[in-house]
Amino acid sequence: AQSVTQLDSHVSVSEGTPVLLRCNYSSSYSPSLFWYVQHPNKGLQLLLKYTSAATLVKGINGFEAEFKKSETSFHLTKPSAHMSDAAEYFCVVSGWSGGSNYKLTFGKGTLLTVNP
Amino acid sequence: DTEVTQTPKHLVMGMTNKKSLKCEQHMGHRAMYWYKQKAKKPPELMFVYSYEKLSINESVPSRFSPECPNSSLLNLHLHALQPEDSALYLCASSHRTGRNTEAFFGQGTRLTVV
Repeated sequence: AQSVTQLDSHVSVSEGTPVLLRCNYSSSYSPSLFWYVQHPNKGLQLLLKYTSAATLVKGINGFEAEFKKSETSFHLTKPSAHMSDAAEYFCVVSGWSGGSNYKLTFGKGTLLTVNP
Repeated sequence: DTEVTQTPKHLVMGMTNKKSLKCEQHMGHRAMYWYKQKAKKPPELMFVYSYEKLSINESVPSRFSPECPNSSLLNLHLHALQPEDSALYLCASSHRTGRNTEAFFGQGTRLTVV
């Protein structure tokens, strides 16, 4: 079985300072990992994905994440927060669910607030 | 065009009503999904359709009935819902169901059961 743990339910930063959202995963094989963002009352938007190619993955809006197998981590970072980054962020792992089916398993989410 | 369109955006229904949620994608994706999301919680998978066939049903109550008329459309028929079914219902699609395959989400239907 696969799972992800988002270590912080809420992160608060000031505009212009770095962002770090932490995620640890558990998987019985090499995982595929994703970060999604959800703004209030909106759907989910894919920020980036890791699929066993480069361990440092660059995404949209200046976000990036580094896959560290030794630490079973996939933390999301951004050098400088913008007010528009305030949202809920989900770390997601793709796992086998029987037959030829895979499904996404979501972490509980991290709410990012950005203070002016 | 990476867009999944859901209608309606908002729906209020009584416990004896029958209603349907609709989802459409024109990306040529062959897998489509329904998720339920309660406030301040992650999305929970309800159903997966792969090549228009139901491939995963996460033990969802029968008052939720999915339908996939063709590869571009996915409906969710609702009947005799309970107030606890009030939530944001998200539709998603992906190229296929695979380990490396990301899902694209619609904006959701905000459902309120009264």
